[in-house]
Amino acid sequence: DAKTTQPPSMDCAEGRAANLPCNHSTISGNEYVYWYRQIHSQGPQYIIHGLKNNETNEMASLIITEDRKSSTLILPHATLRDTAVYYCIVRVERGGSNYKLTFGKGTLLTVNP
Amino acid sequence: GAVVSQHPSRVICKSGTSVKIECRSLDFQATTMFWYRQFPKQSLMLMATSNEGSKATYEQGVEKDKFLINHASLTLSTLTVTSAHPEDSSFYICSARQGGSTGELFFGEGSRLTVL
Repeated sequence: DAKTTQPPSMDCAEGRAANLPCNHSTISGNEYVYWYRQIHSQGPQYIIHGLKNNETNEMASLIITEDRKSSTLILPHATLRDTAVYYCIVRVERGGSNYKLTFGKGTLLTVNP
Repeated sequence: GAVVSQHPSRVICKSGTSVKIECRSLDFQATTMFWYRQFPKQSLMLMATSNEGSKATYEQGVEKDKFLINHASLTLSTLTVTSAHPEDSSFYICSARQGGSTGELFFGEGSRLTVL
């Protein structure tokens, strides 16, 4: 399975952009990059995913490098409610239309007032 | 976004008993659901993939006879922890995929199991 590497923790000031990096140097050409976050004792929340192109939605932006070996999740204006563990995941294809998501240790983002 | 609901959210049981956790996709049909387990301060660990109408696929090291999975309909999967022991105490989370090969995976709120 493709592995991801994330810093264990990061801090960000409220109102500033939070940039969360992720390395996935062994990613294959057809594997998607997903980002989820988990607030304490809750189920993970989907944020965004992408394959090659940069993606943006109402929550965040995902920047994927041209060689696809790394990506950055950007929260444009972090709020205290964005404090959570953020997981960068490479979707592993299992054949047909099946796939699985394997979670790593993630990055604990703490947004400070 | 799509909603996935789990029940119960918390359950306490005695050692040796069996506990059933339900996972429902409320506003979409899910041919595939996934069951994860999370111990304190650790990441989610995939236990098994639940496929509607067929047997579940278990990850290496997960006992299929202990963690029984039934995916009887397109909106419901159940996980039964049989003969539970204190070491089975954990946060169990299900997820369901909303259609298609690029469908997003939505997670339930989780079920916290405490075995006394």
